Amino acid sequence: EPEVTQTPSHQVTQMGQEVILRCVPISNHLYFYWYRQILGQKVEFLVSFYNNEISEKSEIFDDQFSVERPDGSNFTLKIRSTKLEDSAMYFCASAGGFFNQPQHFGDGTRLSIL
Amino acid sequence: AQKVTQAQTEISVVEKEDVTLDCVYETRDTTYYLFWYKQPPSGELVFLIRRNSFDEQNEISGRYSWNFQKSTSSFNFTITASQVVDSAVYFCALSELYNFNKFYFGSGTKLNVKP
Repeated sequence: EPEVTQTPSHQVTQMGQEVILRCVPISNHLYFYWYRQILGQKVEFLVSFYNNEISEKSEIFDDQFSVERPDGSNFTLKIRSTKLEDSAMYFCASAGGFFNQPQHFGDGTRLSIL
Repeated sequence: AQKVTQAQTEISVVEKEDVTLDCVYETRDTTYYLFWYKQPPSGELVFLIRRNSFDEQNEISGRYSWNFQKSTSSFNFTITASQVVDSAVYFCALSELYNFNKFYFGSGTKLNVKP
């Protein structure tokens, strides 16, 4: 079965540095998402992306964050000037169409800010 | 307001016991999906089930069963004859038609199954 893949599985970065988290969604999917899970807490929506633009973003997704689909296959989340509180598990997800399939989640990238 | 409430923060059972994880949701949409995911210590989200708002049939899959009741806005998950490998955090989630499939997750229930 096709999968959403995320790299790296674990990223360690110094505070203040920029980090890019990468995702390869399922190939024929049209909707893409990033979610965040701070350790021990629930999974929170960050942003959804459709037709090469952000369709919705949460209040967490401020100017520090950006998303891109640079080459038609990858879907990236960039975090500029990272802070300690950005340490979390970041999940990418994709969906095939508007409300016709469940979201498929990647295995996550664990981001640790030192 | 919470869209998905999992009131049980942590549950401990002994192996072979049955256990039910509760999930209550809130939505104004008539068309929505409900999900359960398992998150083992390794951290990934393992899809367990999807149920749409028009299908209130209960479902059984092996030791797992789900009870969807629109009248009480609940989507409870029962594990029969629990095993140590069932130990994980379980998340209930809601996805609404008019919200671009965005998921609202509950806060999760940590299940500890002791031998």
